[in-house]
Amino acid sequence: SAVISQKPSRDICQRGTSLTIQCQVDSQVTMMFWYRQQPGQSLTLIATANQGSEATYESGFVIDKFPISRPNLTFSTLTVSNMSPEDSSIYLCSVRGTADQPQHFGDGTRLSIL
Amino acid sequence: AQSVTQLGSHVSVSEGALVLLRCNYSSSVPPYLFWYVQYPNQGLQLLLKYTTGATLVKGINGFEAEFKKSETSFHLTKPSAHMSDAAEYFCAVSTGGGADGLTFGKGTHLIIQP
Repeated sequence: SAVISQKPSRDICQRGTSLTIQCQVDSQVTMMFWYRQQPGQSLTLIATANQGSEATYESGFVIDKFPISRPNLTFSTLTVSNMSPEDSSIYLCSVRGTADQPQHFGDGTRLSIL
Repeated sequence: AQSVTQLGSHVSVSEGALVLLRCNYSSSVPPYLFWYVQYPNQGLQLLLKYTTGATLVKGINGFEAEFKKSETSFHLTKPSAHMSDAAEYFCAVSTGGGADGLTFGKGTHLIIQP
């Protein structure tokens, strides 16, 4: 399976600032996704990162808060904007080939907001 | 829309005993089903998947799961628990659409008693 690298692995940020998380894959992949895992909770899909076009956001997530880029088939970024303590979560990138293939996850970015 | 219910937020078994983690799903179309494991401070690792074909699927680390359409279930089992199996387990579903993300259950924390 693909090797997925997320940076940073963890960060502590101040309220009101923004952080960009990077997801790099060692091979071209069809689909890339971003998920959020709040403390002690399950994973929730934020958006599908579309190569060369705007991301597709799930209900409850908006582009102004979570802008996403995907300039090519191996790289994507998620920005968490104007952060508040409620944004403290693990943010995970996942990748997938065709629809019948499973998603594979990066190790996640552990974000704490003070 | 699809959903996943995992019965039991915590399951405790003795080392060497049978592991049974329950997952029921709801989907308006034939689902693709997955089990993932998350060890502390790590990302998600795929245990096994069901897309089509044989309803009993075998995964890594001795785990297996059976897709039962009539019961809308996809329970995870392992004949003999090891201490190293202690982790968080997530059941997930997708509808197999080209741009489909995953819908996760709330997770089950597996505790192995010595």
